[in-house]
Amino acid sequence: EPEVTQTPSHQVTQMGQEVILRCVPISNHLYFYWYRQILGQKVEFLVSFYNNEISEKSEIFDDQFSVERPDGSNFTLKIRSTKLEDSAMYFCASSPGGTGYTFGSGTRLTVV
Amino acid sequence: AQSVTQLGSHVSVSEGALVLLRCNYSSSVPPYLFWYVQYPNQGLQLLLKYTTGATLVKGINGFEAEFKKSETSFHLTKPSAHMSDAAEYFCAVSRSNYQLIWGAGTKLIIKP
Repeated sequence: EPEVTQTPSHQVTQMGQEVILRCVPISNHLYFYWYRQILGQKVEFLVSFYNNEISEKSEIFDDQFSVERPDGSNFTLKIRSTKLEDSAMYFCASSPGGTGYTFGSGTRLTVV
Repeated sequence: AQSVTQLGSHVSVSEGALVLLRCNYSSSVPPYLFWYVQYPNQGLQLLLKYTTGATLVKGINGFEAEFKKSETSFHLTKPSAHMSDAAEYFCAVSRSNYQLIWGAGTKLIIKP
């Protein structure tokens, strides 16, 4: 069964550093999403991406965040200057359209 | 605006007993409804979803949920709990192609 692949599975970074979280969505999917889950809290929507542009974003997705689909297969989330409160599990998801979301297994980001 | 309420942050049942996890939603448009399961240190796995049609939806691992529009509910049930069902369960709502709005999650504890 096709999978959404996220790398790395764990990332530790120093406060103020830039991080790039990578995702390979399912190849024929058109819609891409990033969600995050702070430890012990609910899953929160960050951003959705369709047709090479952001289609929706939440209040969390401020100027420190950006997304890119650099080469037609990868979908990346960049955090420019990480803060302690960015520590969370970040999930990528993709969908062919409609409601067929498939999630990756997540990247655990720890900011120290 | 859409929102999801999961009643009970922790639910404890004995092995072999009925599992009932409650989810109520609010939505101004006909919603799509989802249940996801998250095992410790793992990603989000789709259990089942309701989009249209039959209101009783069957999912993986013997779970099912019933969409009740009049009660704005989508409760998750399983007739007989197994130790392997211990996990956190998330209810979510969306419109097609749009972000998933998540409940706070319910940790299911199975007593031997």
